Amino acid sequence: AQRVTQPEKLLSVFKGAPVELKCNYSYSGSPELFWYVQYSRQRLQLLLRHISRESIKGFTADLNKGETSFHLKKPFAQEEDSAMYYCALSSGYSSASKIIFGSGTRLSIRP
Amino acid sequence: EAGVAQSPRYKIIEKRQSVAFWCNPISGHATLYWYQQILGQGPKLLIQFQNNGVVDDSQLPKDRFSAERLKGVDSTLKIQPAKLEDSAVYLCASSLDGQGAIYNEQFFGPGTRLTVL
Repeated sequence: AQRVTQPEKLLSVFKGAPVELKCNYSYSGSPELFWYVQYSRQRLQLLLRHISRESIKGFTADLNKGETSFHLKKPFAQEEDSAMYYCALSSGYSSASKIIFGSGTRLSIRP
Repeated sequence: EAGVAQSPRYKIIEKRQSVAFWCNPISGHATLYWYQQILGQGPKLLIQFQNNGVVDDSQLPKDRFSAERLKGVDSTLKIQPAKLEDSAVYLCASSLDGQGAIYNEQFFGPGTRLTVL
């Protein structure tokens, strides 16, 4: 079964400290992974996707197929990074493919 | 460009009543999604439309939920009758052509928060 697991409900770090939001997945095929973010009183939006190999707002994520993980990392946290983060997996390439979301991790950056 | 619009933003009803939500996607977006997000969980796909056809409704509780996208533009999601466990945020999203979620970013609306008493 396809599943995305985010083991931490809440992660609190000090400003300037490194951040790592954990994401593990279960998928029988070749997955594509995403991170979505929801800032306070804003809409859910795409942060980054594995296929683009991009760094957005200082965040990066590496797909580790051996550990079935897609952890989100940032070397130095900023207060504006406080938000809800969702890891997500895409089930395929067809027009019927859909995104499966994890339960989310609330990141709180302390000043 | 204007984003995905949803209304109402909040709705409180009693169990066994009916409720309807409306979504207007970004202009030109062929694919429209309805998600249910229960408190403490991630969004769960209820139904996906490609233009005015249903692509996936495998997780839609069809005994009480229905959705339509007439004319392939805006969409309505209805619950009849509502149960306590339907309390959630209902999110609408749209994407350009739906040829794989991988290449098409989903843009989300603000959501409708439903409380069933």
